[in-house]
Amino acid sequence: EAGVAQSPRYKIIEKRQSVAFWCNPISGHATLYWYQQILGQGPKLLIQFQNNGVVDDSQLPKDRFSAERLKGVDSTLKIQPAKLEDSAVYLCASSLPGQGIVELFFGEGSRLTVL
Amino acid sequence: AQSVTQLGSHVSVSEGALVLLRCNYSSSVPPYLFWYVQYPNQGLQLLLKYTSAATLVKGINGFEAEFKKSETSFHLTKPSAHMSDAAEYFCAVSESGTGGFKTIFGAGTRLFVKA
Repeated sequence: EAGVAQSPRYKIIEKRQSVAFWCNPISGHATLYWYQQILGQGPKLLIQFQNNGVVDDSQLPKDRFSAERLKGVDSTLKIQPAKLEDSAVYLCASSLPGQGIVELFFGEGSRLTVL
Repeated sequence: AQSVTQLGSHVSVSEGALVLLRCNYSSSVPPYLFWYVQYPNQGLQLLLKYTSAATLVKGINGFEAEFKKSETSFHLTKPSAHMSDAAEYFCAVSESGTGGFKTIFGAGTRLFVKA
């Protein structure tokens, strides 16, 4: 079974530039998550989709971050314009829908460096 | 909001020694608790999860965790460390919110294993 796919693995940009990350979840997983992991910290949830609808984006900095999940499958996370503090690993995860005891399956992450 | 606190950002043990990684949770209701492991340059993967069926939970790679309600703890242990256990470990709790459950991670504990 194929896992969660993410690209690119690494991206270096200058501040004020834009960047986009792509995620393809495990087939059949209705729930998709984007987490931000800053060096030395635990992953922080940015946005959660159920199929192609947003169920939680309370911690997404909406002035610069946007995300979409067209057709309830692939998802794209965009940052525009990037700031130095956006340097982090962006993790995509997916899961089957459930009530609390769901296992998250993570991709390898996209490491962003903003100079 | 629920949260987890991991005591110690770094733990170092000798190969063959006991591994103990500490996690305390804050929750007013029975929590859903997890331990995830992250190897270098990889995404997170589930080690084990507490489902309230048993207070001692066994996971992969010889790890186990004990749920102690009186101490609000969910510490992770392994009797004998192996070099391959060197990684970062995250305790997590699942929280109910608008639209469903979301998983909140602790700051992580990096485990070093000395030969």
